[in-house]
Order: sequence, then C-alpha cells, then structure tokens
Amino acid sequence: DTGVSQDPRHKITKRGQNVTFRCDPISEHNRLYWYRQTLGQGPEFLTYFQNEAQLEKSRLLSDRFSAERPKGSFSTLEIQRTEQGDSAMYLCASSQIGQTYNSPLHFGNGTRLTVT
Amino acid sequence: ILNVEQSPQSLHVQEGDSTNFTCSFPSSNFYALHWYRWETAKSPEALFVMTLNGDEKKKGRISATLNTKEGYSYLYIKGSQPEDSATYLCAFNTGGFKTIFGAGTRLFVKA
Repeated sequence: DTGVSQDPRHKITKRGQNVTFRCDPISEHNRLYWYRQTLGQGPEFLTYFQNEAQLEKSRLLSDRFSAERPKGSFSTLEIQRTEQGDSAMYLCASSQIGQTYNSPLHFGNGTRLTVT
Repeated sequence: ILNVEQSPQSLHVQEGDSTNFTCSFPSSNFYALHWYRWETAKSPEALFVMTLNGDEKKKGRISATLNTKEGYSYLYIKGSQPEDSATYLCAFNTGGFKTIFGAGTRLFVKA
C-alpha cells in the first residue's frame, strides 16, 4: 500500500494563470474524491469519480474547474484563470469497493495553492 | 443544508490530561460517522467509522461513542501525549458517496 500521492505539494501562481494538480490513488481503489480545505474550515467536497466516470460535481466547482480521471487511474484537477479565492489546500482521497458510507477515505498530503 | 458542528474549535492541555471533543450532526438520514486525525504536514488519517446507535470504538488511548438519536459523537483521549497534537475531524455520511466534514477540533498537548 503506497498510499495516495498528490503532486505538487505546493503551488504559487499569479491570478489569471491556469494550474493543474495530479492525484494517484491507492491502486485497488475505484473511488476517487477531490476536497478543498480553507483556513478554519473542514474539507469541502468538490467532485467524485467511480472508475473513470465523474458521478458528482459540487456547486462549489465553478466552470473554471475541471477534473478528469482517464482510464480510472490517476486524476487531474485543473483550475483555469485562477482567482485569489481559489487559494486553499486541495485534497485527494480514494476508497475501496464496498459500501460507500462506511468505507474510510484515504487521503493524500494535499496540494496547497496560493494565488497572488 | 447538512451541517456538522465540532466543539471546541481548539484545546490546549497538559501531557497526561484526559480530554474529549464533541461532534454534532443531523439525526435524520444517518448512515455513518467518521473520525479522522490530521497532523500538520501529513494527510488526514481515519480513526473510526461508526454506524450503529450506541457504537463505541477504541484504538489505544483514543475512544469514541455515537448517539444517532440525538445526533452527537464524543471522541475521548486518555492521558494525552504530545504526539496526539493534531486536528480531529468528524465527518457525516447520509448513505451516498458524499462525506460532510466538520471544521475540526485542534488539539495542542504541551509536554
């Protein structure tokens, strides 16, 4: 079990630039989630994949955000035309086959985005 | 809107003290309550998943209880150690894939 890995760990970008983050889930996990965490808040759900299918997308995710999971393996989260309000920790998590509600999430270390 | 409340927001204790935190959640449409520990510069780590009213779980010095009828869970740490310093998150699930997190309780244990 190599765990969930995310890249990069930190990203500093200027407002208006595009950024892309990558998540590699635990290999046998078919479910993948993206969350966003801002200071003083808990992680907020952004989107969910089961295999390669994106099954749910939060209303928090504006049309500047897009996520993909080609071939049901790694996932990317892209933010276009970044704004200062996008500054946050972006967490990826995966979980294994079974009941979704009682399967614990396995998180990566996150990507901290700072938009200047 | 489903809301998960945690209290206190932060807590400072001395090494050896026992402590507890509260998580409040909607009592309807309950399927599971999760507790996670999140140490600085690391990833959140699952501690417990509880699904039944009256559930009690224990892992070493940490234990948790669940009351689904009144919508709360307690996390207890016995004899706190500096390595217990972390943010403790609770998360509520209504049966689907979406897990709703509280803002966490940040614990500081002073040696």
